[in-house]
Amino acid sequence: GENVEQHPSTLSVQEGDSAVIKCTYSDSASNYFPWYKQELGKRPQLIIDIRSNVGEKKDQRIAVTLNKTAKHFSLHITETQPEDSAVYFCAASTYIAGAQKLVFGQGTRLTINP
Amino acid sequence: EAQVTQNPRYLITVTGKKLTVTCSQNMNHEYMSWYRQDPGLGLRQIYYSMNVEVTDKGDVPEGYKVSRKEKRNFPLILESPSPNQTSLYFCASSLSTQGGTEAFFGQGTRLTVV
Repeated sequence: GENVEQHPSTLSVQEGDSAVIKCTYSDSASNYFPWYKQELGKRPQLIIDIRSNVGEKKDQRIAVTLNKTAKHFSLHITETQPEDSAVYFCAASTYIAGAQKLVFGQGTRLTINP
Repeated sequence: EAQVTQNPRYLITVTGKKLTVTCSQNMNHEYMSWYRQDPGLGLRQIYYSMNVEVTDKGDVPEGYKVSRKEKRNFPLILESPSPNQTSLYFCASSLSTQGGTEAFFGQGTRLTVV
């Protein structure tokens, strides 16, 4: 089955700098790659996603890139702000036995230092 | 307001005492699933349901049961809880079973089994 590896597990950056979180996946049939942000004590919420027919997607300060050949995708946050501090999860989605299966990475705790 | 609602938010119970965590969504979503979140392990799928009366095991189903008698409700049942089921649980729903759609999460249920 699908396996998603996420790195790093923790990341600390200065406010205003950029942050990059990387994920690799194992199943070449995966075709949808969402990123979720989980603030302390809150539920995960979708911040950006990318489909397998697209190489890059951007939404204001966040962007995601996908390399299907290498089976990896990355989240880029520019001009980081204190409110970006959270745990971020990547996920890969495959279609198995008539249903979507979403497999998550282990999570990255991002801390923005003022 | 479109939402996924879980209850209770917090639960402390004793080993072996049956419990149910409820999950309800008001978005008419076909697909619902349960995850557990443990430090360093990300979100792991317990069970999922593609529609009414259609459920299947996820990656960590041992010790859990689910039912889907109505489209909006997807309760998680622990018949005989054990301490290794102490975790943070999330219910999620998404529009399509076909994949590639956002998963909406409930607020989470923090379960402690003593």
